Formats: sequence, C-alpha cells, structure tokens
Amino acid sequence: NAGVTQTPKFRVLKTGQSMTLLCAQDMNHEYMYWYRQDPGMGLRLIHYSVGEGTTAKGEVPDGYNVSRLKKQNFLLGLESAAPSQTSVYFCASSYSGTGYGETQYFGPGTRLLVL
Amino acid sequence: GQQLNQSPQSMFIQEGEDVSMNCTSSSIFNTWLWYKQDPGEGPVLLIALYKAGELTSNGRLTAQFGITRKDSFLNISASIPSDVGIYFCAGRTAGGTSYGKLTFGQGTILTVHP
Repeated sequence: NAGVTQTPKFRVLKTGQSMTLLCAQDMNHEYMYWYRQDPGMGLRLIHYSVGEGTTAKGEVPDGYNVSRLKKQNFLLGLESAAPSQTSVYFCASSYSGTGYGETQYFGPGTRLLVL
Repeated sequence: GQQLNQSPQSMFIQEGEDVSMNCTSSSIFNTWLWYKQDPGEGPVLLIALYKAGELTSNGRLTAQFGITRKDSFLNISASIPSDVGIYFCAGRTAGGTSYGKLTFGQGTILTVHP
C-alpha cells in the first residue's frame, strides 16, 4: 500500500494563478483532510470530507475550494493564488471520525511558493 | 477557536538524556495523539490515547492522557540522534460536532547532540 500520496511535491505560482493539489489514499478511508503548515503555527485544517461527495470547512477555508468526487481522492484548489498562501500543504485520511479509527495518516506534503 | 498549548517550543539535549514535553487544552479532549515530523516529510503517528489516565508506551516513548482530560504528556527515554524532529500533539474535543476534527499543538522542535 502506498498510503497517502500527494501531487505535486513542489510548485511555484505567480499571484493570481490557479492550481489544484491532488491527494490520493489507498486505505479505503472515509475521512480526508487538507491542512496547511506554517512556521510556529502547527497544522491548521483547511477543509475536510467525511465521505465521497461531501466536504466541509475547517479552520482556515478562505481562498480554497475542495472536491471529493471519488472516495480515494481529495482535491484542493486555489482559484487565485496569493502570497499569503505560500505554505506546506498536507493531506491526511482516517478510517472514521471517532474512536480507534480516527487516527489520521498524512501524506508527504506539497510545498507551494506564491510570488 | 480551540487553544492547544504545547511546550517547550524547542529543546537542545545531549544523546542519552530523557525528554519530556506536554500539551494543555482549554477544553476537555476525548482523544490525544502524538506525531513526529522529520524534515521534509509528513507527520507520522507515534502514540494514540483514548481514555483519561491511559499510559501507553511505544519503545522508548511513553505518553499519558491526563486525568483532567485537558492535558497529555510525551516522554522519550535515552534519546538518540534519530529522535531529531518536530513533535506534535493533537487532540479531539468532546462533542458530536468535533468528529474527525483534530486540533494540533504548535510543535516541539527536538535537537539531539551526539
């Protein structure tokens, strides 16, 4: 099993450009998440999904959109990138949202630089 | 929003020393998780705790779910150079609306000198 994979690993954008980050998991997990990591701030939840076809806002959703058309994939979109969106983005998945199944497994991250 | 304070922010220790770090919350938590992040990688789960008072070990690592359900502790015994990295606590508050939503601490940066 590959676990959680993310594409691309690194990207440079100009302000105003758009892009989509792809997350894939092969563990048949119901829940998927997108986080951003900034120095000294830990991981902050952007959006999450509790199942195929569903999405919900997290702590810092502004400027991002997501889609979960297939259970194994979770896409994060930036419609008009801003320098404030320079960050490392992590995708994670979990079997469920409570109890022993709520442990989240993380991908390797996507490093995004917006100029 | 949720407040989760992790301390210390950084530690510089000699190989062989023991390490202690902790997280405290303003709210009651149902779950505490401890992750380690190596440079350039995603966080990897070290220990998961699901009951107040629970004490769980994973090799040289021991973590405890505080009795008050508002704190958790991670200890690393006899540190080695490969323990270097960022350690994060994460927890989920009680309540149905919190399903699947973890709050992360700011991280503890651990440096081990040989």
